[in-house]
Amino acid sequence: DAGVTQSPTHLIKTRGQQVTLRCSPKSGHDTVSWYQQALGQGPQFIFQYYEEEERQRGNFPDRFSGHQFPNYSSELNVNALLLGDSALYLCASSLSGQAGFAGNTIYFGEGSWLTVV
Amino acid sequence: AQSVTQPDIHITVSEGASLELRCNYSYGATPYLFWYVQSPGQGLQLLLKYFSGDTLVQGIKGFEAEFKRSQSSFNLRKPSVHWSDAAEYFCAVGGPSDYKLSFGAGTTVTVRA
Repeated sequence: DAGVTQSPTHLIKTRGQQVTLRCSPKSGHDTVSWYQQALGQGPQFIFQYYEEEERQRGNFPDRFSGHQFPNYSSELNVNALLLGDSALYLCASSLSGQAGFAGNTIYFGEGSWLTVV
Repeated sequence: AQSVTQPDIHITVSEGASLELRCNYSYGATPYLFWYVQSPGQGLQLLLKYFSGDTLVQGIKGFEAEFKRSQSSFNLRKPSVHWSDAAEYFCAVGGPSDYKLSFGAGTTVTVRA
């Protein structure tokens, strides 16, 4: 049973460029969340997708956007990259209940390392 | 607002010694609490979770954690550490009506021979 898979694992971009990160959730999971983890810090919630809609958003600017596909996979897009966007981007999947976690465990992928120069 | 505080940034422990990592949380309702471990260059692996019931929770790799509502704490313990336990440990809080986890800043554990 494959877990959460993310691609690419590492990438380098220039300020002002745009980046797309991809995530395939654990088999059977229908909910995908994205987190940003800056160096030396804990992960920060960006947003969550369920039924192809953004269900909740953290304190991130509109430059951060996402999408969920019918097969539950997801993309994170970041426009107009800033140096401060350099971080590990983690995808997490879960099986959604009617509200919140409903006791379901969240599984994380190994992340995509983004360096902005 | 929900938040997690991990007071210890870095802990060094000898192999075979006991380990305790502190976690204090702030949450307006019944919390769901988690401990995750992250090895260098890796994603997060769930060690254990508390949703309800017995306040002493057993996890993988010999870890356990105790939920103390009166102290708003969820400390992680291991009786005897192994060199492979060297990693970053994160405490996180969520809730039954919540869609996100809020993480602490993490505690780095170094194991010396």
